Amino acid sequence: DGGITQSPKYLFRKEGQNVTLSCEQNLNHDAMYWYRQDPGQGLRLIYYSQIVNDFQKGDIAEGYSVSREKKESFPLTVTSAQKNPTAFYLCARSIDGRANYGYTFGSGTRLTVV
Amino acid sequence: AQRVTQPEKLLSVFKGAPVELKCNYSYSGSPELFWYVQYSRQRLQLLLRHISRESIKGFTADLNKGETSFHLKKPFAQEEDSAMYYCALSDRGSTLGRLYFGRGTQLTVWP
Repeated sequence: DGGITQSPKYLFRKEGQNVTLSCEQNLNHDAMYWYRQDPGQGLRLIYYSQIVNDFQKGDIAEGYSVSREKKESFPLTVTSAQKNPTAFYLCARSIDGRANYGYTFGSGTRLTVV
Repeated sequence: AQRVTQPEKLLSVFKGAPVELKCNYSYSGSPELFWYVQYSRQRLQLLLRHISRESIKGFTADLNKGETSFHLKKPFAQEEDSAMYYCALSDRGSTLGRLYFGRGTQLTVWP
């Protein structure tokens, strides 16, 4: 799994509910990222974190929240404020924190609002 | 401002034909460029990095700073190359550690 695990694989949410997507890494890397993947739009950065207890907004952070209480875990919460949450969500880690070697991605979570 | 442009949303070729997936970038710093591939029902994975100058699965990519391009090429496409391909850029000098992705090109190789 490349040292990074996302769960669940599929998630269904009712409108108005918050849901939390899990991302765990076991390689002791500092930098972790959340991207959203939509057809025709590529990957857009939601949030990223380079150290514990610190994280920064990406390009489309509205309606999302994160926490980084432990190095190995970077959960993403999709709140009811997110207007169009149905998408494929990808978590990633980088080896050096500067993306010089690229990222390793998780297998993704497909969120559907019902 | 869009930093990475992949002009082709869809690209189809026949098996054995050459294939080129285009990527242009816009960045004033010192970029590091990557190609990622996503096969059907598989996770997104790194295909190659500019700095490594390697050939993976027969694919190569050359950085052309004059044209600000990093096109991905393969002389003889195979059916198993059918996938979504993303070009990505990072700023080597930045401490932010983020990648900027293009919108992707869906490659289909017909038998």
